[in-house]
Amino acid sequence: NAGVTQTPKFRILKIGQSMTLQCTQDMNHNYMYWYRQDPGMGLKLIYYSVGAGITDKGEVPNGYNVSRSTTEDFPLRLELAAPSQTSVYFCASSFPPGTSGYEQYFGPGTRLTVT
Amino acid sequence: LAKTTQPISMDSYEGQEVNITCSHNNIATNDYITWYQQFPSQGPRFIIQGYKTKVTNEVASLFIPADRKSSTLSLPRVSLSDTAVYYCLVGDISSTGGFKTIFGAGTRLFVKA
Repeated sequence: NAGVTQTPKFRILKIGQSMTLQCTQDMNHNYMYWYRQDPGMGLKLIYYSVGAGITDKGEVPNGYNVSRSTTEDFPLRLELAAPSQTSVYFCASSFPPGTSGYEQYFGPGTRLTVT
Repeated sequence: LAKTTQPISMDSYEGQEVNITCSHNNIATNDYITWYQQFPSQGPRFIIQGYKTKVTNEVASLFIPADRKSSTLSLPRVSLSDTAVYYCLVGDISSTGGFKTIFGAGTRLFVKA
């Protein structure tokens, strides 16, 4: 199993540009998450999904959009990039919280710079 | 209102036991408590989780008192490679009924030789 994969690893955007961060998991997890991590800070939840076709906002959803058309893929869209979106973006997946708790599997991250 | 509160940083020496405490006063009845470890430039990695009392695995122990308003991650005999940020995590039910996870700010552990 590849686990959670993210592309690209690095990206530089100009202000106002758009891009999609890709995330794929091969563990048949229902739940998928997008987090951002600013330098020296903790992780903040942007959006999450409990299954194909179902998404919900996290703590910091403004400026982002997501979709979940398949179990495996959970892309994150930035429509009008702003310097405040400079961050490292992590995708994660898990089984539904319950008796298995919250063990999430994280991807390697995408480092995004907006200038 | 923050879901969890942890010390910002801790220092230790190789071979010592390290205990990191997380406060989660508003934990819900169904919430589990989960701890993650993160090295620089990597995604977080699951360490341990529990609901109540004590849980132990090959890398750590987790102590949860009866009121579940706090938890303590215990790392026995730390080494230099345990230098990392440790996150305490609990869950939350969103306004739409979905379930989302809230990471704390993390505790930076620095292990010295």
